[in-house]
Amino acid sequence: DTGVSQDPRHKITKRGQNVTFRCDPISEHNRLYWYRQTLGQGPEFLTYFQNEAQLEKSRLLSDRFSAERPKGSFSTLEIQRTEQGDSAMYLCASSLIGSGGYGADTQYFGPGTRLTVL
Amino acid sequence: LAKTTQPISMDSYEGQEVNITCSHNNIATNDYITWYQQFPSQGPRFIIQGYKTKVTNEVASLFIPADRKSSTLSLPRVSLSDTAVYYCLVGDPLNTDKLIFGTGTRLQVFP
Repeated sequence: DTGVSQDPRHKITKRGQNVTFRCDPISEHNRLYWYRQTLGQGPEFLTYFQNEAQLEKSRLLSDRFSAERPKGSFSTLEIQRTEQGDSAMYLCASSLIGSGGYGADTQYFGPGTRLTVL
Repeated sequence: LAKTTQPISMDSYEGQEVNITCSHNNIATNDYITWYQQFPSQGPRFIIQGYKTKVTNEVASLFIPADRKSSTLSLPRVSLSDTAVYYCLVGDPLNTDKLIFGTGTRLQVFP
């Protein structure tokens, strides 16, 4: 399978604990995105990388959130001191610059990591 | 960013054609219209993208009138497996790379 993979698929944690999620994009893709989705809502943008550089961060990404893509391949999203409001599906997507022609590049999403904070 | 408005839900039966219309009254000159599909417990999946007139691929057709203030996703002969949430997105690929999702349209296909 050469699609986007995410690990773990499910994570249950207690409030105040730290959690880290991993995303492995499609191998030749140079852009990697993180989104968060709550029940009944569409995904919300959190941040994205072009190669190793983090180019944009949403205001949703509080100081407790940090994302890295150290070698321009896989990425990690860490949430420190989790709160119940952090419970959501965390989605990773990747794309190849220029693949969309004049339009937007197609983003390929992983299956997500479902976080439950008790 | 242009805001989109879609019906919250739609019902259909297998074999019928389904048309989902999205309104984007303040669409900008450089904005493209993109549709994504999402099944439960999965990430969204790209369906189709267009700028004007009509675009067709193996999955769907996208109709965009001349004023571009709305667009219609057409799914021919739906099956039960087309039951999903469909998102209409509008954005300028030259200005932003992030996707802005609304709440989407929940399509339920019945046998």
